[in-house]
Amino acid sequence: AQKVTQAQTEISVVEKEDVTLDCVYETRDTTYYLFWYKQPPSGELVFLIRRNSFDEQNEISGRYSWNFQKSTSSFNFTITASQVVDSAVYFCALSEARSNFGNEKLTFGTGTRLTIIP
Amino acid sequence: ETGVTQSPTHLIKTRGQQVTLRCSSQSGHNTVSWYQQALGQGPQFIFQYYREEENGRGNFPPRFSGLQFPNYSSELNVNALELDDSALYLCASSSPLTSGSSYNEQFFGPGTRLTVL
Repeated sequence: AQKVTQAQTEISVVEKEDVTLDCVYETRDTTYYLFWYKQPPSGELVFLIRRNSFDEQNEISGRYSWNFQKSTSSFNFTITASQVVDSAVYFCALSEARSNFGNEKLTFGTGTRLTIIP
Repeated sequence: ETGVTQSPTHLIKTRGQQVTLRCSSQSGHNTVSWYQQALGQGPQFIFQYYREEENGRGNFPPRFSGLQFPNYSSELNVNALELDDSALYLCASSSPLTSGSSYNEQFFGPGTRLTVL
């Protein structure tokens, strides 16, 4: 069975500080995908990143960066120079990878509520 | 915005009633997945429809059922509502897998917030 753990329930930081959101996952699959989603108060899940289990390169996109470490089953998300607009609930998710379909169910963690204090 | 729409936005029902939630997928998408998100929790997979057939189901009882129509829009039906069914219901659509791609992103709608009294 797949499982995603986000141990940090709530985090508050002052604007412009850096913040890291932790994600630890469990799966028996050798091929899988990892995701991060942002959920603002409106409720819609906003896709941030997808990472294939074979690709352990870290990725940076503007103020966002992701650290994937297969050895520790972790996929952490860092926001640099945080802004008030970053306030939201962030979800880490896991999906198996069946080569003949391509969009299997997502298993989500319980989320981390991030509050950026002006 | 993702182009995925859901209706209604909010809904209040009483225990024992039945409810139908609707989802219009993004243009060109033939797969729709439904998720239930209880307050303070992450979304949980209910089921997925691909070309009008159920293509996978999560750990939800049979009173949760669905349909997908020829235009790929979808309905989620819940019978005999219980208090624990109160949640945000999200649908997500995705496009067919094409040559050279191994995964197609799921695009989420804004959700329907169901309250059961």
